[in-house]
Amino acid sequence: AQSVTQLGSHVSVSEGALVLLRCNYSSSVPPYLFWYVQYPNQGLQLLLKYTSAATLVKGINGFEAEFKKSETSFHLTKPSAHMSDAAEYFCAVSGWTGGKLIFGQGTELSVKP
Amino acid sequence: NAGVTQTPKFRVLKTGQSMTLLCAQDMNHEYMYWYRQDPGMGLRLIHYSVGEGTTAKGEVPDGYNVSRLKKQNFLLGLESAAPSQTSVYFCASSPLGSSYNEQFFGPGTRLTVL
Repeated sequence: AQSVTQLGSHVSVSEGALVLLRCNYSSSVPPYLFWYVQYPNQGLQLLLKYTSAATLVKGINGFEAEFKKSETSFHLTKPSAHMSDAAEYFCAVSGWTGGKLIFGQGTELSVKP
Repeated sequence: NAGVTQTPKFRVLKTGQSMTLLCAQDMNHEYMYWYRQDPGMGLRLIHYSVGEGTTAKGEVPDGYNVSRLKKQNFLLGLESAAPSQTSVYFCASSPLGSSYNEQFFGPGTRLTVL
């Protein structure tokens, strides 16, 4: 079975500060990992995905994530937060070849001026 | 392309009423999914379809039915709505079944059952 745990349901940072959103996964097979972002009252949008090509993955809007197999982690970072980054972020793991995604609980990011 | 669209955007039902949520995609994707989103629980898969005419149960299928009569459409039905089905429902589609393909999401339907 596969699962995802996001540490912290709510993270608050100041504008310009580092953003770090934590995701740990459990998988019995090599995982494919995703980060999605959800802006208020909208659907989910893909930020980035890990598909085993490179452990450091760069996504849209300056976000990146590093796959660490030894730590079973896929944390999302951004060097400098912007007000427009305020949203809910979901980590997900692909559970089977049919593409079914298993989502974490989500982390709401707030950015203070 | 419109991508993934969902109808309606909002709906209020009384307990016991029925309704159908419509999802449409214009990307010729084979796979389609229905999720529900509840606070603190992320997204949970209700049902999914791997192609026209086929459907399968996801993580939380009870109280819901689905149909995929046309490749571009995926319907989610509630036969007898319950307050526990108050949620935001998202439809998604994927071009292939392989694990690394991203899913494309619709804007969601906010359903309240009184």
